[in-house]
Amino acid sequence: GENVEQHPSTLSVQEGDSAVIKCTYSDSASNYFPWYKQELGKGPQLIIDIRSNVGEKKDQRIAVTLNKTAKHFSLHITETQPEDSAVYFCAASRAGDMRFGAGTRLTVKP
Amino acid sequence: GAVVSQHPSWVICKSGTSVKIECRSLDFQATTMFWYRQFPKQSLMLMATSNEGSKATYEQGVEKDKFLINHASLTLSTLTVTSAHPEDSSFYICSAFSGGEYQETQYFGPGTRLLVL
Repeated sequence: GENVEQHPSTLSVQEGDSAVIKCTYSDSASNYFPWYKQELGKGPQLIIDIRSNVGEKKDQRIAVTLNKTAKHFSLHITETQPEDSAVYFCAASRAGDMRFGAGTRLTVKP
Repeated sequence: GAVVSQHPSWVICKSGTSVKIECRSLDFQATTMFWYRQFPKQSLMLMATSNEGSKATYEQGVEKDKFLINHASLTLSTLTVTSAHPEDSSFYICSAFSGGEYQETQYFGPGTRLLVL
């Protein structure tokens, strides 16, 4: 089955700096890669997603890149703000079967 | 985005009792819903896939007789934790497929925190 690895497990940045979270997946048939943000005590919220036929997608301060050959994808957050502090999960999906990474706890220091 | 609700948001129960958690898609129809379990500081673990009008598909290691899932309509799925024990204490989260740009997008509910005493 699919195995998703996510790094780093914790990330601390200064407000205004960029943050990068990386994930790798094992199943070459996976074709959908969403990223979720989870705040304490809440359910995950979809922040951006990408499909395997696209190499990069951007939405304001958030971007995702996908290297299908290497089977890795990354989340980039620019100009970080304290409200970006949360746990971020990557996921890889094939035919609706979605598997999650272990999560990255991002702390943005004001 | 699509809205998914859960009820209750938190519940405390005595060991041996059963607890029902509801998951509703508020502004769309969901033929497929998912139930996850999350322990503190850990990732989401898929428990089962709930399909409207048919039996749920459980992940390996999840007891189907303990975690009863009913997907009676296109907007409602329920998870019943039967004979709950303290080790069942966890954060339970449901999700549902919505149309969206990608048919595989899952939208999550706010979660239900269960504490079994």
